[in-house]
Amino acid sequence: GENVEQHPSTLSVQEGDSAVIKCTYSDSASNYFPWYKQELGKGPQLIIDIRSNVGEKKDQRIAVTLNKTAKHFSLHITETQPEDSAVYFCAAMRGGYQKVTFGTGTKLQVIP
Amino acid sequence: GAGVSQSPRYKVAKRGQDVALRCDPISGHVSLFWYQQALGQGPEFLTYFQNEAQLDKSGLPSDRFFAERPEGSVSTLKIQRTQQEDSAVYLCASSNSNSNQPQHFGDGTRLSIL
Repeated sequence: GENVEQHPSTLSVQEGDSAVIKCTYSDSASNYFPWYKQELGKGPQLIIDIRSNVGEKKDQRIAVTLNKTAKHFSLHITETQPEDSAVYFCAAMRGGYQKVTFGTGTKLQVIP
Repeated sequence: GAGVSQSPRYKVAKRGQDVALRCDPISGHVSLFWYQQALGQGPEFLTYFQNEAQLDKSGLPSDRFFAERPEGSVSTLKIQRTQQEDSAVYLCASSNSNSNQPQHFGDGTRLSIL
């Protein structure tokens, strides 16, 4: 089955700096890669996603890049704000299947 | 409401008791998913419904876990003869298609087994 690895497990940045979270996946048939933000006591909230026919996608301060050859994908948050502090999960879904495999999460702390 | 609704938010049970967790998906969403999230970990897939049909239950940890969605809307996850290792947050998600579409999560039920 699919295996998703995520690094780093914790990340502290100064407000205004950028944050980068990296993930790798094992199943070459995976073609959909969502990113979720989870705040304490809440469910995961979708913040951005990318499909395998696209190499990069951007939404305001958030961008995701995908390298299908290397099976890498990354989340980039620019101009970080304290409200960006949360746990972020990458995930992968195989084409034709509905099962999403999550990474182990990155706890992001933005220091004011 | 507009989002996925789960109840109860918190459940405490004694070891050996049966529990039932409810999920009310976003109206019109065809697909419904259950996940288990242990402390400090990512959600792990349990089972998936397309309408009332349970198409994948490969993630259910044992035969003590049972899920149903009889009318293709509300779903219930039942755990029989609970064990301490069942303590976790149980998340429900729904999506509006049977192809790869974003899954929208509820806030989960935190289950504690004493």
